[in-house]
Amino acid sequence: RKEVEQDPGPFNVPEGATVAFNCTYSNSASQSFFWYRQDCRKEPKLLMSVYSSGNEDGRFTAQLNRASQYISLLIRDSKLSDSATYLCVVNAGYIPTFGRGTSLIVHP
Amino acid sequence: ETGVTQSPTHLIKTRGQQVTLRCSSQSGHNTVSWYQQALGQGPQFIFQYYREEENGRGNFPPRFSGLQFPNYSSELNVNALELDDSALYLCASSLEGASEQYFGPGTRLTVT
Repeated sequence: RKEVEQDPGPFNVPEGATVAFNCTYSNSASQSFFWYRQDCRKEPKLLMSVYSSGNEDGRFTAQLNRASQYISLLIRDSKLSDSATYLCVVNAGYIPTFGRGTSLIVHP
Repeated sequence: ETGVTQSPTHLIKTRGQQVTLRCSSQSGHNTVSWYQQALGQGPQFIFQYYREEENGRGNFPPRFSGLQFPNYSSELNVNALELDDSALYLCASSLEGASEQYFGPGTRLTVT
């Protein structure tokens, strides 16, 4: 089993839709969690940290489920500009592990 | 813009050669991490430097080595290049260890 797993997609959704991605991790000692966004042939950009209590930033909501060892990202009211690859990151100690990313395509 | 810069942008090398990639961290950040990203994959952690010391290492052979300088900029050196080393090399800076990271634009290395 991979340390961090994501469904590669692509998730193909119309503008205005709500879409959710999950990311599972195997190391129960993992301490911090993040979501990054990566556009084609660009560097990853930090989208949001994921806290135990969950957190929301505008149309984006991230949640952590330690018992089931997964994190989630919910995007509401999808925009064309949300089309990108979404990478989850799980940190155990000083070792960050990225998932392979989930591709999102938002169409008109 | 994150303030993290990398050079060069692109590089073509021949198998067996050596390469040095450079990264300047965001102002105030004392930690630099290096990643290798193959096409269609997530970034793979190579190693991390904190205050000039290697602070963690991923599953990469010793021919991948690095340095961090007193101004917190960093170098990644790869010896005896192999075809599979062709990838996007990313550096990311952060404050302390496992906190939010800010990536540079990457160096695209092609080994022929």
